[in-house]
Amino acid sequence: QVQLVQSGSELKKPGASVKVSCKASGYTFTSYAMSWVRQAPGQGLEWMGWINTNTGNPTYAQGFTGRFVFSLDTSVSTAYLQISSLKAGDTAVYYCARPTSGDLDYWGQGTLVTVSS
Amino acid sequence: QLVLTQSPSASASLGASVKLTCTLSSGHSSYAIAWHQQQPEKGPRYLMKLNSDGSHNKGDGIPDRFSGSSSGAERYLTISSLQSEDEADYYCQTWGTGIVVFGGGTKLTVL
Repeated sequence: QVQLVQSGSELKKPGASVKVSCKASGYTFTSYAMSWVRQAPGQGLEWMGWINTNTGNPTYAQGFTGRFVFSLDTSVSTAYLQISSLKAGDTAVYYCARPTSGDLDYWGQGTLVTVSS
Repeated sequence: QLVLTQSPSASASLGASVKLTCTLSSGHSSYAIAWHQQQPEKGPRYLMKLNSDGSHNKGDGIPDRFSGSSSGAERYLTISSLQSEDEADYYCQTWGTGIVVFGGGTKLTVL
């Protein structure tokens, strides 16, 4: 069965960096892209962008350029989200999700990133 | 601009049915959408892909109580025989060239 398993919660200080992983199993990793979605506390879902798992080419949504980097390690079927220069406003749960024809049909369990001094 | 609009809240009684609505922005009435459920303190769960003609494909293990339908720019999620575990936030999601959009979500309360 398809599974997306994300890394555990992180507590970081402002200005630090964090790298969240999303390990896929149950399907051919390079046959589907990977999207990233943010959910700030008490808020809705916000699409951050996606990465082509064949080429490694990322696409970032508005508001997620500069400090946000999507990457891959196809040898271990894992996608990564790195956020640098963390701010309090980056405190959120981050999800990876697999797009099929555009619909996100499988989700990771989420990774809570807390930014606090 | 591709936008999805959802009512912030809805409520219905245990055992009853409820119909949630997601409205596509002008010029986008042919777009398919997906419905996702997010129970309290959990991650989103894919419910179904819903096409403009009302045909839909449900995700793994989604009960028959969940169904979708379409009319013009509106996309509906109907939940019948409501159970307490259906109390959740429901998000619609669509996509275009290089973009994914979520609706604001509807918080469903089961009375």
